[in-house]
Amino acid sequence: DAGVIQSPRHEVTEMGQEVTLRCKPISGHDYLFWYRQTMMRGLELLIYFNNNVPIDDSGMPEDRFSAKMPNASFSTLKIQPSEPRDSAVYFCASSSHTGGYGYTFGSGTRLTVV
Amino acid sequence: KQEVTQIPAALSVPEGENLVLNCSFTDSAIYNLQWFRQDPGKGLTSLLLIQSSQREQTSGRLNASLDKSSGRSTLYIAASQPGDSATYLCAVEGDKLIFGTGTRLQVFP
Repeated sequence: DAGVIQSPRHEVTEMGQEVTLRCKPISGHDYLFWYRQTMMRGLELLIYFNNNVPIDDSGMPEDRFSAKMPNASFSTLKIQPSEPRDSAVYFCASSSHTGGYGYTFGSGTRLTVV
Repeated sequence: KQEVTQIPAALSVPEGENLVLNCSFTDSAIYNLQWFRQDPGKGLTSLLLIQSSQREQTSGRLNASLDKSSGRSTLYIAASQPGDSATYLCAVEGDKLIFGTGTRLQVFP
């Protein structure tokens, strides 16, 4: 298995532009998580899905952030419009059930908004 | 609300030392605890997963223990090497996976 695949690896964009981050979970995993990592706040859970349905989006910082999972093999995290304070590393993770099976993380997308 | 704390925040030791990294959490209603390693600019690599019914897990020079009742876990690294230099994160899974702030480890030759 290729693991959790995220794209792009790096993204540099201008303030105000729309940014879309992509994630392909491990086949057969029915939970998908989006995290954001910054120096100040560490790793924060933004949103997670179960069987393609958003379960908890309480970590999404603002309405500028949205996430979708149209099918079991693909998810997107969109920021519109982007701001410099959104600069961070965004990680996607997947898991086969919760409650004891562990999480597998992708390599992350490093987003820089200038 | 689950809070996860790691001590120390940073650690610098000479090669060969045995190390203990600490993790504490406030809510003992967890499914498991997972230790990760993160190299600078890289993703997270899972090191050890301890189920809530287990007391410890071992992998090579790494040993992690879990005491749910006291809300504590320790990661023991035996005979540290420069290649162990990284940030070590613990994470507890309840209804969500919540991370600690990490311990930045530097092992010098």
